[in-house]
Amino acid sequence: AQKITQTQPGMFVQEKEAVTLDCTYDTSDQSYGLFWYKQPSSGEMIFLIYQGSYDEQNATEGRYSLNFQKARKSANLVISASQLGDSAMYFCAMREAYGNKLVFGAGTILRVKS
Amino acid sequence: NAGVTQTPKFQVLKTGQSMTLQCAQDMNHEYMSWYRQDPGMGLRLIHYSVGAGITDQGEVPNGYNVSRSTTEDFPLRLLSAAPSQTSVYFCASSYSIGDRSPLHFGNGTRLTVT
Repeated sequence: AQKITQTQPGMFVQEKEAVTLDCTYDTSDQSYGLFWYKQPSSGEMIFLIYQGSYDEQNATEGRYSLNFQKARKSANLVISASQLGDSAMYFCAMREAYGNKLVFGAGTILRVKS
Repeated sequence: NAGVTQTPKFQVLKTGQSMTLQCAQDMNHEYMSWYRQDPGMGLRLIHYSVGAGITDQGEVPNGYNVSRSTTEDFPLRLLSAAPSQTSVYFCASSYSIGDRSPLHFGNGTRLTVT
């Protein structure tokens, strides 16, 4: 069964610094996709970045990048140059290629300090 | 450009009452799903649908029913509300489920059962 683990319940980072949010996953499939979502205090879910298991390069989207280590089954989100608006809950999620379910981790609360 | 629309935004029910959470999307997405979000547990899948007339259970389906008579609508029914169903409910859709398509979320329904 799919499982996503986010071991950091909460993180602090200084404004303008980089921060890494950890995500490890468990699957027996070779083909799968990994997603990161942001949930600000207003409650909406915002899609940030996607990484496919067969993608040759780590995904990047603006200040977001994914440190994908397939052998370790980890897909850590890196946020560069943190901004106050990055303060939010962040969820890692995984979908197996032939499954119909997106499974989420418990989330990490990030607080950016000025 | 409405995206995924959920109603109501807030609801208070008494134990034993029934209600329907509405979800509609205007993106012609085949895949729709319902999640509940509880503190420390991330988002858990309740039910999902891969197309009109097709529904299936997720991780936590007990106490909930769904139907998918049209591509656009995917209502979630609580048959007899219980305090354990106090949660934030999200409807989400995507073009398909087997590829890079991210889930698009509604803004959520905060349900309290007393």
